[in-house]
Amino acid sequence: GENVEQHPSTLSVQEGDSAVIKCTYSDSASNYFPWYKQELGKGPQLIIDIRSNVGEKKDQRIAVTLNKTAKHFSLHITETQPEDSAVYFCAARTGTASKLTFGTGTRLQVTL
Amino acid sequence: NAGVTQTPKFQVLKTGQSMTLQCAQDMNHNSMYWYRQDPGMGLRLIYYSASEGTTDKGEVPNGYNVSRLNKREFSLRLESAAPSQTSVYFCASIGVGDRGLYEQYFGPGTRLTVT
Repeated sequence: GENVEQHPSTLSVQEGDSAVIKCTYSDSASNYFPWYKQELGKGPQLIIDIRSNVGEKKDQRIAVTLNKTAKHFSLHITETQPEDSAVYFCAARTGTASKLTFGTGTRLQVTL
Repeated sequence: NAGVTQTPKFQVLKTGQSMTLQCAQDMNHNSMYWYRQDPGMGLRLIYYSASEGTTDKGEVPNGYNVSRLNKREFSLRLESAAPSQTSVYFCASIGVGDRGLYEQYFGPGTRLTVT
């Protein structure tokens, strides 16, 4: 089955700096890669996703890049703000199945 | 539109006790899921239901049973709770939501402690 690895497990950046979180996946048939943000005491919420026919996608301060050859994808957050502090999860989906395989999460802390 | 709701929010059980975690969604989604979240292990799929009347095992189904009561509701049952089942449980459904995106929507979670 699919295996998703995520790094780093914790990340601390100063407000205004950029943050990058990286994930690798094992199944070359995976075709959908969402990123979720989880705030304390809440369920994860989708923030951006990318499909395998696209190399990069941007939404305001967040962007995701996908390298299918290397089987890795990354989340980039620019101009970080304190409200970006949360746990971020990457995930991968194979084929048309609805099941997602999640990474182990990255705790991002944005300091003033 | 409440999205995905879960009850209870918190629960403490003694080893061997049973309980049912309830989940409901009002978005008319076909597929629903139960995950557990443990520190350092991300979200792991317990069971899922692709449509009303069907259920399938996920990555960690042992010790759990599920019921897809109707399109809205998907419950998770622990017949004989064990300390290893101490975790945060999330229910989710998948479909198109208010943002027009096909995505997985999560409930707020149930924090379960088994002593």
